[in-house]
Amino acid sequence: KAGVTQTPRYLIKTRGQQVTLSCSPISGHRSVSWYQQTPGQGLQFLFEYFSETQRNKGNFPGRFSGRQFSNSRSEMNVSTLELGDSALYLCASSLGQEKQFFGPGTRLTVL
Amino acid sequence: GIQVEQSPPDLILQEGANSTLRCNFSDSVNNLQWFHQNPWGQLINLFYIPSGTKQNGRLSATTVATERYSLLYISSSQTTDSGVYFCAVDLPNSGNTPLVFGKGTRLSVIA
Repeated sequence: KAGVTQTPRYLIKTRGQQVTLSCSPISGHRSVSWYQQTPGQGLQFLFEYFSETQRNKGNFPGRFSGRQFSNSRSEMNVSTLELGDSALYLCASSLGQEKQFFGPGTRLTVL
Repeated sequence: GIQVEQSPPDLILQEGANSTLRCNFSDSVNNLQWFHQNPWGQLINLFYIPSGTKQNGRLSATTVATERYSLLYISSSQTTDSGVYFCAVDLPNSGNTPLVFGKGTRLSVIA
């Protein structure tokens, strides 16, 4: 089976712009979770989608949003980018509340 | 919320040496996973181990759920073992945080 894929792998944006990141889970996996990794805060949970519904949400402002499509692919959107949004964004998929498999990540730089 | 503490934060080893990484957690957990983050940022699953002991080649892990800790053993270390090792837990009846990560142990294996 192909692993979790994320696009794009690298992204450079300027403050105030918005960005959309994409994640394709492992075939058959219906749960997709997103995490943000920064040197200061470590790995933090953003949100989780299961069968197109947001099932869990972390403590991030409303500028961070996401969605999941019927084929389980997920996107996350960050609006009005801030310098502090520079991070590695990781997507993970699983069958449900079980072992999670991570993609290679999208490295976002906000200038 | 639950605290996940990993020790040591940094570790430098000569190739061929053995090491033990520790993960303590402050509350009962549903599951525990160990990951290796490679230099490109991808999190690689090592073990899914809510309790007991598992082995995979030179790596093994033990989780003692009643005492709230897990250990990752690396034997005969190789330079390719370098990177950051994370443990992550998810909570029984978890609300907003499916996976809570420790801050990691950065391992450097020197030839």
